[in-house]
Amino acid sequence: EPEVTQTPSHQVTQMGQEVILRCVPISNHLYFYWYRQILGQKVEFLVSFYNNEISEKSEIFDDQFSVERPDGSNFTLKIRSTKLEDSAMYFCASSEEGQLNTEAFFGQGTRLTVV
Amino acid sequence: GEDVEQSLFLSVREGDSSVINCTYTDSSSTYLYWYKQEPGAGLQLLTYIFSNMDMKQDQRLTVLLNKKDKHLSLRIADTQTGDSAIYFCAVGRKNQGGKLIFGQGTELSVKP
Repeated sequence: EPEVTQTPSHQVTQMGQEVILRCVPISNHLYFYWYRQILGQKVEFLVSFYNNEISEKSEIFDDQFSVERPDGSNFTLKIRSTKLEDSAMYFCASSEEGQLNTEAFFGQGTRLTVV
Repeated sequence: GEDVEQSLFLSVREGDSSVINCTYTDSSSTYLYWYKQEPGAGLQLLTYIFSNMDMKQDQRLTVLLNKKDKHLSLRIADTQTGDSAIYFCAVGRKNQGGKLIFGQGTELSVKP
């Protein structure tokens, strides 16, 4: 069964460093998403991406964040200068369409720990 | 703003029915979802319901939607130990680029 894969599963980084979280969406999917879950809190939407552009982004997704589809398979989330409060589980998702009646498939997540 | 709320924990005995509840604030929510998360795994879509439906049944799962009260529930019949997981309610509406608003998740514990 096709799946969304994320690497690494766990990333530890020093405060102020840049991190890149990587995702390989399902191959025929066109819409891509990043969500995050701070420990003990809700899963929060960060950004959606389609046709090499951001479709929607939340207030959390400020100038420190960026997304890219550098080639035909990867979808990345970059945090330029990490803060302690960026520590969270980051989930990538993809869907065939951006319509809500198509399933968004989620990856297993990358746990980011900022120290 | 948009908000989705769930109770944090539910404990049931194997074979009983489980009912996980969710309330939401956005009356424009068009699609309402239940996701399951097992330890170390991603979010797995269990089922979803459109806002013009009251009920949807899928094998052991029954979703009930009360639009007036903005209340969604997931009933799992004949709960098994393998159903132990965190269950997330999520809502979305059209023209928001597929964005979903999640609840905080309900941890279901099934005791033998």
